[in-house]
Amino acid sequence: DAEITQSPRHKITETGRQVTLACHQTWNHNNMFWYRQDLGHGLRLIHYSYGVQDTNKGEVSDGYSVSRSNTEDLPLTLESAASSQTSVYFCASSESLRRDGVDTQYFGPGTRLTVL
Amino acid sequence: KQEVTQIPAALSVPEGENLVLNCSFTDSAIYNLQWFRQDPGKGLTSLLLIQSSQREQTSGRLNASLDKSSGRSTLYIAASQPGDSATYLCAVIGYSSWGKLQFGAGTQVVVTP
Repeated sequence: DAEITQSPRHKITETGRQVTLACHQTWNHNNMFWYRQDLGHGLRLIHYSYGVQDTNKGEVSDGYSVSRSNTEDLPLTLESAASSQTSVYFCASSESLRRDGVDTQYFGPGTRLTVL
Repeated sequence: KQEVTQIPAALSVPEGENLVLNCSFTDSAIYNLQWFRQDPGKGLTSLLLIQSSQREQTSGRLNASLDKSSGRSTLYIAASQPGDSATYLCAVIGYSSWGKLQFGAGTQVVVTP
């Protein structure tokens, strides 16, 4: 069955270190998204991609970067981790590019990141 | 800027009682509204999607209504069960957001046996 996976599931790092969170989907979806979830804020969009070599900034993109070299993967990099980036990170994918977003987004299980 | 609000943040009901979850949004220019379920330590699962032209959607014990003009949606879960315990999030896609979801903070539901 097609799926979307994230690794690692848990990560503890120190302030200032570079961290990369992996996201891999086997749906062959064009669209991929990264969100962070914090208490009281719901999910907020960090970066998204509508296809290979396409990346876009979301609502809370400062301190994060992504690259899309193939359809299956969208790694999220924290260039210099800060305590404010302690959060749960979710990756999602959807099939087609539609402005009305009617295609369901499928979510990964999340990565819990702690920055000390 | 679109704001999506879910009240209450947490809710506890005895098994068998009907659940009523509320979602409000400030900008009525939306394509659709979706309800998701999130279990602890897991990702989100889509429950229902209501197009802006629709008034409600139903799936089994779940029924979601949408009043776009007043900026409100309600998710009803009939005859709740302990397995319904989870966090429920609503999200909208607005005309200006090009397919990107904007989420509320969620309502954490506990159904007690």
